[in-house]
Formats: sequence, C-alpha cells, structure tokens
Amino acid sequence: GAGVSQSPRYKVAKRGQDVALRCDPISGHVSLFWYQQALGQGPEFLTYFQNEAQLDKSGLPSDRFFAERPEGSVSTLKIQRTQQEDSAVYLCASSPDRDRHTFGSGTRLTVV
Amino acid sequence: QKEVEQNSGPLSVPEGAIASLNCTYSDRGSQSFFWYRQYSGKSPELIMSIYSNGDKEDGRFTAQLNKASQYVSLLIRDSQPSDSATYLCAVNIVSGTYKYIFGTGTRLKVLA
Repeated sequence: GAGVSQSPRYKVAKRGQDVALRCDPISGHVSLFWYQQALGQGPEFLTYFQNEAQLDKSGLPSDRFFAERPEGSVSTLKIQRTQQEDSAVYLCASSPDRDRHTFGSGTRLTVV
Repeated sequence: QKEVEQNSGPLSVPEGAIASLNCTYSDRGSQSFFWYRQYSGKSPELIMSIYSNGDKEDGRFTAQLNKASQYVSLLIRDSQPSDSATYLCAVNIVSGTYKYIFGTGTRLKVLA
C-alpha cells in the first residue's frame, strides 16, 4: 500500500481484557518497529522485526506484551490482561533500510 | 542522564525567523540521527537524517551534527506558521540492540 496502515484507530478495553493491534507496513519494507507513545512524550521503542525475525524485543514492558510478524509482512501487537498504565498511542513504523521510519497513524488504546 | 535530551519548549519564533532546535545524546557509538516533525494528534514524519559530522541542508531545513560534543541540531529558516509542531530527535543505539531512542520533543510555535 501507499503507507503504513494501523487498525483499529481507537480501542477502548476494560481492565483485564486482551487486545490485538494490527500493522500493515509498506510493501517491501523489511524492517518493522512498534513504539508506545504516552501523552507529551516521544515514542518509546518496544520491538523490532527484520522480515519475520524479531531481532529485538527489549522494549516490551512486561510479558503481557507480545508481537509477531509471521510472514514478514503484517504484524500484530498483542497485550494480555490490559492495565490502565497500558493506555497510550501505539505506533508502528516500517523502513526499507532500518533507519528511515515511516509511521502509521497509530492506535490509541484506552484502558478503563 | 536521559539517552536523548531535548528542551521541551515551547520555543516561540516570529514568522520568517530562524528556529533552532537542539538535541544531545549519551551513546558515543551512535551512528544515525534523525529529526521528525509531529503535528498535534498526528504521527511523526521524517524530515531529516544525518550520519556524518557537519551540516546537511534540505530546502529550509539544515541538520547539524557534532559527534565529539554528542550534539545534533535542526535549523528551520524562514519559519512559517505551518512549521508549528513538535520536533522529535531520534538516535540509534548500537549497544547490542536495534533500538532507536526518541527525545521527548521540542514544541515549536511560529507566530504570524
């Protein structure tokens, strides 16, 4: 596609509910990143994929967070047993060369 | 010490003036440096990348890098009200990870 597509755009989850956030990167981009952005803060790194390989997951805040990219294209970020502190905008970015990020519009997650 | 530091602002400049945005980073091994622009409620957009010491110009934007001082800056000439946004500095971290670390951003206001 022309850009990075993320869905849903908004998600309201009850505390304890599991959520799945989808990212469809630009076709041909081998690198895919997930970031978490809190209000008034810069994006915070969560995880990095090169094709289907998850090369770095050091930013995932707890074992409730899980990401996958099974065929090297679409990626899903899953959060189990959501907590209020998980409320944030989740940004996906893809890149042809790992450096220059093109971001999607993000998913705003609100945990109530 | 934060890995990437920026003054949060707001930085207010009159229309037509030069806006100067600054960023310092802590990882001496960092090789890649980026400036992203983020409008309120939108996702970050890459405007400049710089890899070598010195200046890099692109239209009204100039990125400056000084690795010895661990300092990167962005100059915006002939500032326009449409430049009003938050400017995020991003740096790659080479210490065994694939992380990109973003600063908290500097909010720029260009006054008409």
